[in-house]
Amino acid sequence: DQQVKQNSPSLSVQEGRISILNCDYTNSMFDYFLWYKKYPAEGPTFLISISSIKDKNEDGRFTVFLNKSAKHLSLHIVPSQPGDSAVYFCAASDDRGAQKLVFGQGTRLTINP
Amino acid sequence: GAGVSQSPRYKVAKRGQDVALRCDPISGHVSLFWYQQALGQGPEFLTYFQNEAQLDKSGLPSDRFFAERPEGSVSTLKIQRTQQEDSAVYLCASSSQAGALASAQYFGPGTRLLVL
Repeated sequence: DQQVKQNSPSLSVQEGRISILNCDYTNSMFDYFLWYKKYPAEGPTFLISISSIKDKNEDGRFTVFLNKSAKHLSLHIVPSQPGDSAVYFCAASDDRGAQKLVFGQGTRLTINP
Repeated sequence: GAGVSQSPRYKVAKRGQDVALRCDPISGHVSLFWYQQALGQGPEFLTYFQNEAQLDKSGLPSDRFFAERPEGSVSTLKIQRTQQEDSAVYLCASSSQAGALASAQYFGPGTRLLVL
């Protein structure tokens, strides 16, 4: 049972345009959501997070949107740069403590010059 | 400052061999997590420590997997009698918060284990 789903295995975007990565979840107990970026042979790098009490969080070129009623979150990157090419994972945790993360399968983003 | 470090970065083991994977978390981080990442998948939770206490080991796939953090800092994940299905990247993460306080986890580079 995949509680966090990233339905697009890959995404290709032109440099300078907006990249939108999507994530859906099924567990209504999730209350904290994160996006990670991963380069080959490296561990995931934390990008941005959002608590369930908010619907938007922005950090520089990165904005995360949360729609609790739809159980959907998205990551917007604008403008997209070649260095953004990587695999992006969304992750979620619930309020029962421990904060273990449940990850999606990842979306490979390619930024084309 | 220094991030999370893991060693070895790569490990090749013969089936049936025991292996030990080490994690050095960010200094002062209370919480430490181990994840397993299969090829083409997202990381999956194995176990969680708050200081030296192992509070959740629900993700450990079998009793061949054992983790410890005796002094609340460095952690070791041990896999006994390795099998081919144990081949994966093992990721360690740490965070500054504990319990129900939500905070980001910071990952090490992982140990890629290949069991032949």
